[in-house]
Amino acid sequence: EAGVAQSPRYKIIEKRQSVAFWCNPISGHATLYWYQQILGQGPKLLIQFQNNGVVDDSQLPKDRFSAERLKGVDSTLKIQPAKLEDSAVYLCASSSRAGKLFFGSGTQLSVL
Amino acid sequence: AQTVTQSQPEMSVQEAETVTLSCTYDTSESNYYLFWYKQPPSRQMILVIRQEAYKQQNATENRFSVNFQKAAKSFSLKISDSQLGDTAMYFCAFMKPANFGNEKLTFGTGTRLTIIP
Repeated sequence: EAGVAQSPRYKIIEKRQSVAFWCNPISGHATLYWYQQILGQGPKLLIQFQNNGVVDDSQLPKDRFSAERLKGVDSTLKIQPAKLEDSAVYLCASSSRAGKLFFGSGTQLSVL
Repeated sequence: AQTVTQSQPEMSVQEAETVTLSCTYDTSESNYYLFWYKQPPSRQMILVIRQEAYKQQNATENRFSVNFQKAAKSFSLKISDSQLGDTAMYFCAFMKPANFGNEKLTFGTGTRLTIIP
């Protein structure tokens, strides 16, 4: 079974630029999560989808971050414009049943 | 809101020795799940072990076991016969059961574990 795929693996941008991350969950997984992991901290949930509907986006900075899940499968997370404090690893995870999340390898973003 | 605390930012141990990582949590829920995840330099979060709060028996997975103390809200991970491949960040995480699709993980700040050859 293929795992959760994420791209790109690394991204370096300057502040005020825009960036997008892509996630392809495990086939058949209805729930998809985006987490932000700042260096030295645990992952923090940004947004959670159930199929193509948003379940929780309470911690998503909506003035600059947006996310969508196309046809309940792939998902894209966008930042526009980026700030220095957005430097982090962005992890995508998917789940098919309660309590069992599978994570991708993440995208490491550096904002200069 | 639930919180998860890991008070050991870094630990190191000789290969083949046993090490215990600590985790405490705060919740008013009576039923929940607790997890330990491993994050090697590849960055992928790997599930090490899972405990369901209503089960009194401590979970074990090969060399990994937990000491779950529900009243004390403590959930420590013991790694026996440690191996070089165990070197990684370890995160304790909490999940409150909900309607499927509404569950979410709350993570601690992690413990960096180094196994010394």
